[in-house]
Amino acid sequence: AQSVTQLDSQVPVFEEAPVELRCNYSSSVSVYLFWYVQYPNQGLQLLLKYLSGSTLVKGINGFEAEFNKSQTSFHLRKPSVHISDTAEYFCAVSKAGGSYIPTFGRGTSLIVHP
Amino acid sequence: EAGVAQSPRYKIIEKRQSVAFWCNPISGHATLYWYQQILGQGPKLLIQFQNNGVVDDSQLPKDRFSAERLKGVDSTLKIQPAKLEDSAVYLCASSSPGGYTEAFFGQGTRLTVV
Repeated sequence: AQSVTQLDSQVPVFEEAPVELRCNYSSSVSVYLFWYVQYPNQGLQLLLKYLSGSTLVKGINGFEAEFNKSQTSFHLRKPSVHISDTAEYFCAVSKAGGSYIPTFGRGTSLIVHP
Repeated sequence: EAGVAQSPRYKIIEKRQSVAFWCNPISGHATLYWYQQILGQGPKLLIQFQNNGVVDDSQLPKDRFSAERLKGVDSTLKIQPAKLEDSAVYLCASSSPGGYTEAFFGQGTRLTVV
């Protein structure tokens, strides 16, 4: 089975500052990795995904993440955040190949202050 | 294209009552998921359908929860009888079949059990 640990429950940051949201995973098999964003009272929206190939993955809204197999991490980064980035961010993992059944972390609340 | 539709958006019931949620996936999506998201936690998969067959229901509390997708399109999730700990957002998602394809989420149904 796969599991995900999001190390920070809340990350406060000022507007235009860089941010990193941390995610570590555990799995005995190859995995796919994802970051989702959830705005208040909304469903989940896919930010980016790692399936294979380049370990640096770029997504929507200027976010990127790097897959590090040796450290079993998939941290999300943005060089300059906006107020509109305030939301809940979820890291998810799924076994590579076969049916796509993501397991989610508990989420990190990104709070961007003006 | 139209997204995943869920209804109702909000529901308040007393414990021991029954409740049903409805989901209409994106047209052509054979795979449908129901997730439970308790406040402060990540979404937890309850059940996954492929057309009208169940792929995974290992985390569905079958003594009180049931789900069906009779014609391989719409799905309903039922809770009977509800408990206080069932208070959560119930998310429906759908995707195309075969390996990894992006899952699209509905806005969810927020259930409050009092």
